[in-house]
Amino acid sequence: NFMLTQPHSVSASPGRTVVISCTDNTGTIAKNYVQWYQQRPGSAPTSVIYKNKERPSGIPDRFSGSFDRSSNSASLTISELKTEDEADYYCQSYDKGDWVFGGGTKLTVL
Amino acid sequence: EVYLMESGGAVVQPGGSLRLSCAASGFTFGDYTMHWVRQRPGKGLEWVSLINWNGDDRFYADSVKGRFTISRDDSRSSVYLQMNGLRTEDTAFYYCAKDKGRYTGFDYWGQGTLVTVSS
Repeated sequence: NFMLTQPHSVSASPGRTVVISCTDNTGTIAKNYVQWYQQRPGSAPTSVIYKNKERPSGIPDRFSGSFDRSSNSASLTISELKTEDEADYYCQSYDKGDWVFGGGTKLTVL
Repeated sequence: EVYLMESGGAVVQPGGSLRLSCAASGFTFGDYTMHWVRQRPGKGLEWVSLINWNGDDRFYADSVKGRFTISRDDSRSSVYLQMNGLRTEDTAFYYCAKDKGRYTGFDYWGQGTLVTVSS
């Protein structure tokens, strides 16, 4: 089994840019796609990025995803932060019958 | 529009059983793998189980293997999770989620149903 590690929390002011990382020290996510989900308080998760960098319809281009093979790390970047972006964000990947989530990152928009 | 609605959550004693249901609409249900994902109160997401489009393949997280059984009824566009031998650590919101395909995660989620295991 592999693990995905995320920072516990990040914060930034409205209008600024924040980057949330998702790291796998086994190299597993280099072979499979990474997805990102947003979960606002009291709500179900929703997809914001799939296949490392693709946005579902309706997700603004302020949300972008990337993957760095040199560090086995995926990143979610949210630019032009809005107060409505305040939520928990989870990365997720797959390997050999195991769907794994990162521990989640709480984004606070100050 | 895709819609997933879970039901069946309840308070149950340790060792008890419960069956969760998830009714789907807005897509061709029989074409898709379906998942259950849970979230303990105040904690992160944990994948629980999946059933592929025709029911031939079923996978479980180690934490529930041998206790939980996933099934589907395409005539009702529904997926189920039979939970036996419940433990206090199974207390969680249980979400059903539609598979996007080709190991690209979950594109739609239900609102969840709460299972509380307590004496």
